[in-house]
Amino acid sequence: EAEVAQSPRYKITEKSQAVAFWCDPISGHATLYWYRQILGQGPELLVQFQDESVVDDSQLPKDRFSAERLKGVDSTLKIQPAELGDSAMYLCASSLRNSGNTIYFGEGSWLTVV
Amino acid sequence: KQEVTQIPAALSVPEGENLVLNCSFTDSAIYNLQWFRQDPGKGLTSLLLIQSSQREQTSGRLNASLDKSSGRSTLYIAASQPGDSATYLCAVRLPAGSGYSTLTFGKGTMLLVSP
Repeated sequence: EAEVAQSPRYKITEKSQAVAFWCDPISGHATLYWYRQILGQGPELLVQFQDESVVDDSQLPKDRFSAERLKGVDSTLKIQPAELGDSAMYLCASSLRNSGNTIYFGEGSWLTVV
Repeated sequence: KQEVTQIPAALSVPEGENLVLNCSFTDSAIYNLQWFRQDPGKGLTSLLLIQSSQREQTSGRLNASLDKSSGRSTLYIAASQPGDSATYLCAVRLPAGSGYSTLTFGKGTMLLVSP
């Protein structure tokens, strides 16, 4: 069964350093999402792509976070500089173009900022 | 703003019991609702997707119902097993005027099934 691939699975970084996460969605999925999940909470959307275009980044802290999906396939989420409050799981998900379709999640990337 | 609430926050049952997890949402004009399972430290696994025009969906021992008018959904798990122990998350999607929308999640119900 096709899966959403994410790396790295775990990342420990010092505050003020830069960190990046990579995601490869299920083949053929036009829509890609980055979510952040704090322990004990539900995931919250950071950014949503349709092909290579950002369609929702209203909750993305743009002063330190950036995301790109240059060729409309894989995507990178970057944080610079990292802050202690950024410690969380970063989840990538993808779905077919239509909003009525199931959203599939990757295994997530755990970030600890020390 | 859509808010999703899941009750109870945690549930512990002995193996073999049937159980119900509850999800409520404040804006009943949803497009669809999706139930997920999350094991500790892992990503989310989709269990069931219910479109707004549907009343329920079934997969194996799982049955999810949707009452859009009252803003409620339930996930019924029959004959629970220790392997069902996980956090169960409910998420709703609103129709998007621009053609794009995303999921709003509840905080989840942590289920423990003891042998």
